[in-house]
Amino acid sequence: EAQVTQNPRYLITVTGKKLTVTCSQNMNHEYMSWYRQDPGLGLRQIYYSMNVEVTDKGDVPEGYKVSRKEKRNFPLILESPSPNQTSLYFCASWDRATYGYTFGSGTRLTVV
Amino acid sequence: QKEVEQNSGPLSVPEGAIASLNCTYSDRVSQSFFWYRQYSGKSPELIMSIYSNGDKEDGRFTAQLNKASQYVSLLIRDSQPSDSATYLCALQGGSGNTPLVFGKGTRLSVIA
Repeated sequence: EAQVTQNPRYLITVTGKKLTVTCSQNMNHEYMSWYRQDPGLGLRQIYYSMNVEVTDKGDVPEGYKVSRKEKRNFPLILESPSPNQTSLYFCASWDRATYGYTFGSGTRLTVV
Repeated sequence: QKEVEQNSGPLSVPEGAIASLNCTYSDRVSQSFFWYRQYSGKSPELIMSIYSNGDKEDGRFTAQLNKASQYVSLLIRDSQPSDSATYLCALQGGSGNTPLVFGKGTRLSVIA
């Protein structure tokens, strides 16, 4: 089954403790992206990657890092999380067949 | 900077009625347009894509695009309570490897 897998689904952490949210897709898509979603602000792009070792900033990259060492994986790294990074995060990969994103199930992150 | 505007709603319609969701955008070079449905706490899922002026129908859904007026709309015929969700408009300029820009979404409530 074609899918984008994110882990964990829920995470509560403390300020300053480094964390990684993993994202993996099994569709051999080149383009992957990370979004955060906050009430009243909609989906905002954090980072995207057009292929292996090619990443670029989206609209809200501050406080985040990504890497794309292999096509299937696109982890999101928060080196020193802060409470304003409490949000719902989605990973997505671009499906050329449907001309649309396939989204992961989301990660609800709370930073206290 | 591309911008996508949607009325946040909620838009309430009775069961069986036609729901009309509208979206305007600022970037005249945008080529591809998408409607996503998002249930509360879930990931967005692609409903329809449209690239040419006019109407595109898929079951109970019809997408309408008018590039001259820079708007795209989604009609849902015979609305059902299960259609209650937030509907996200998104656009993409250029090739299939450029980031999508999302509107903030319109919340639809179908009243039984």
